Amino acid sequence: SAVISQKPSRDICQRGTSLTIQCQVDSQVTMMFWYRQQPGQSLTLIATANQGSEATYESGFVIDKFPISRPNLTFSTLTVSNMSPEDSSIYLCSVAGQGAYEQYFGPGTRLTVT
Amino acid sequence: AQSVTQPDIHITVSEGASLELRCNYSYGATPYLFWYVQSPGQGLQLLLKYFSGDTLVQGIKGFEAEFKRSQSSFNLRKPSVHWSDAAEYFCAVFGGTASKLTFGTGTRLQVTL
Repeated sequence: SAVISQKPSRDICQRGTSLTIQCQVDSQVTMMFWYRQQPGQSLTLIATANQGSEATYESGFVIDKFPISRPNLTFSTLTVSNMSPEDSSIYLCSVAGQGAYEQYFGPGTRLTVT
Repeated sequence: AQSVTQPDIHITVSEGASLELRCNYSYGATPYLFWYVQSPGQGLQLLLKYFSGDTLVQGIKGFEAEFKRSQSSFNLRKPSVHWSDAAEYFCAVFGGTASKLTFGTGTRLQVTL
């Protein structure tokens, strides 16, 4: 399985600001995913990021709020824009293993918005 | 659309006791099923997976799960729990027209010494 790292591991931000989260993989992967895990909740898929194409967003998530970049096969960023306290969550990236169905997760970024 | 139900929000077991975490799924075809574990402050680690074949699958850390099509279940088991198994456990299913991974709400396992 791939080794995935995320930066930052945690951050405390003021409302109205933006934070960019980085996800780095130690091998080339086609599909990367970004998830949100709100406090005490399960994981919700934000978007799928394939290299060379625009990210595909799930219902309830929009590009203006969560812009994603995927410049190459080992790296992606998720930006949380114009943050509010409701954006306080853990944000996780994952990569697809064998087929799109088997996914491996990074350690997550714990975001607190004050 | 597929869905996953984990009926138990919180389970407490004694160290050395056996464990079974329940998972029920809703999906029309044969699903791809997964169990993940999330330790406090950590990301998710894949424990085991079922794609096809033998309905009893073995995973890491001594865990196993059994796929029962007739009950739409994929319960996770461990014969003897260790204190380090205390964590949040998520069942997930992949499939459907959306072709995405859908997670259950999770079961928090507490282990008493």
